[in-house]
Order: sequence, then structure tokens, then C-alpha cells
Amino acid sequence: NAGVTQTPKFQVLKTGQSMTLQCAQDMNHNSMYWYRQDPGMGLRLIYYSASEGTTDKGEVPNGYNVSRLNKREFSLRLESAAPSQTSVYFCASSPQNQFGRPQHFGDGTRLSIL
Amino acid sequence: KQEVTQIPAALSVPEGENLVLNCSFTDSAIYNLQWFRQDPGKGLTSLLLIQSSQREQTSGRLNASLDKSSGRSTLYIAASQPGDSATYLCAVTPYGGSQGNLIFGKGTKLSVKP
Repeated sequence: NAGVTQTPKFQVLKTGQSMTLQCAQDMNHNSMYWYRQDPGMGLRLIYYSASEGTTDKGEVPNGYNVSRLNKREFSLRLESAAPSQTSVYFCASSPQNQFGRPQHFGDGTRLSIL
Repeated sequence: KQEVTQIPAALSVPEGENLVLNCSFTDSAIYNLQWFRQDPGKGLTSLLLIQSSQREQTSGRLNASLDKSSGRSTLYIAASQPGDSATYLCAVTPYGGSQGNLIFGKGTKLSVKP
């Protein structure tokens, strides 16, 4: 049971480099999300996609872009990485009306920006 | 602005003990509250979801309660086992927020000693 798959699992970048984090789900969920998790800050929503073809900003969108490629895939792009973007990034998915349905999370991408 | 607080930040108990984890939130206007488990290096696993109209939910040795008016939830773990060692997070879905905009607490790190 794959669920939500994130690639890569680990990545080290230099300041200014760009990178795309990939996420795919096989549960036929309509909604997908990107979070970052930082020590002492908890998880914060970066962007989400309520359904295929739509994306919206979350709490901390600055410095990121997203693409909902199709129903299965939702990618997160860092155009010019900064040390402040060092974090663990989680992708999640849920059925469209998530009020009452839990989100399913991937295992995360650990990203370090030097 | 909705804020979610979890106390204590860390807890260590001997195996077999019953324990309670606490979660409080500042705004009672929520759709639901969820409890998640996070193992080291892994993503989040949803344990229990309580709708705003419900008072509690149970799954095996876990029982979660919700007092929306006072802004509190507890997660009760009966007969704790070493395998319960993990970080437990609670999250609320606020009214009026963007769909899927879960607001997380920072978690309680639980260690169950054999």
C-alpha cells in the first residue's frame, strides 16, 4: 500500500539553487497539501490544492511555487533556495471534503540548504 | 488567530501506565480536531478524528475527548507499551479557514520505558 510517496527523501542544496520536490498519491484523493516542519514551530501549511487544476496559498507560501500536474501528483518548487528553507517537507492528501476525513501523509523530504 | 498548545512537550512513563496527553486551542470555532502519531523519520499517521459535534472517539487503547467550549482535548492511552513511544500531535480545522488548513500543536514526545 503506497499511499503518499515523496521523492527525494534527502537533499542538500547550496543557496540559490533550485529544486522540485515530488509527491504522488494512489488513493484517488482530490485534495493535496504541502507542509513544512521545523523544530519549535510545528507543521505549517505552505500550499494546497483542493482539486485538480486549483492551488492556493497556505500560511507560509513565500519562496515556493506548486504545480498540480494531475490528480495524483503535486510538486513543490524552490526557485532560489535559502538557508531559511532548511526543513522537513511533508506532502499529504485527503478526499475533497476533508472536514471529517483525515489527511494521509508521506514520509517527508529532509532538505538542507547550505 | 487560532493557536494550538500541547502540554507537556515530553513525557516519560513506565510500561503499563495509563496516561493523558493534553491539547488546547484558543478559538472554539472548529470543524474537527485530530490526533496524529509521528515516529522518528516518518510522516504523520492519523489516530483519531473528532467532529465538533462529538465528545469523544475511541480506537483500541486510545480515547480522545473534545470539550469545544473550553478549547480542550485529551488523548488517553491505556496500558502503555514501548511501541507507543512516538510524538503525538493534535490539529484543528478552523471555521472560515482554507480547506485543509490544519493548525497543529508542536507535539508531545512520549517515551514508554520497558
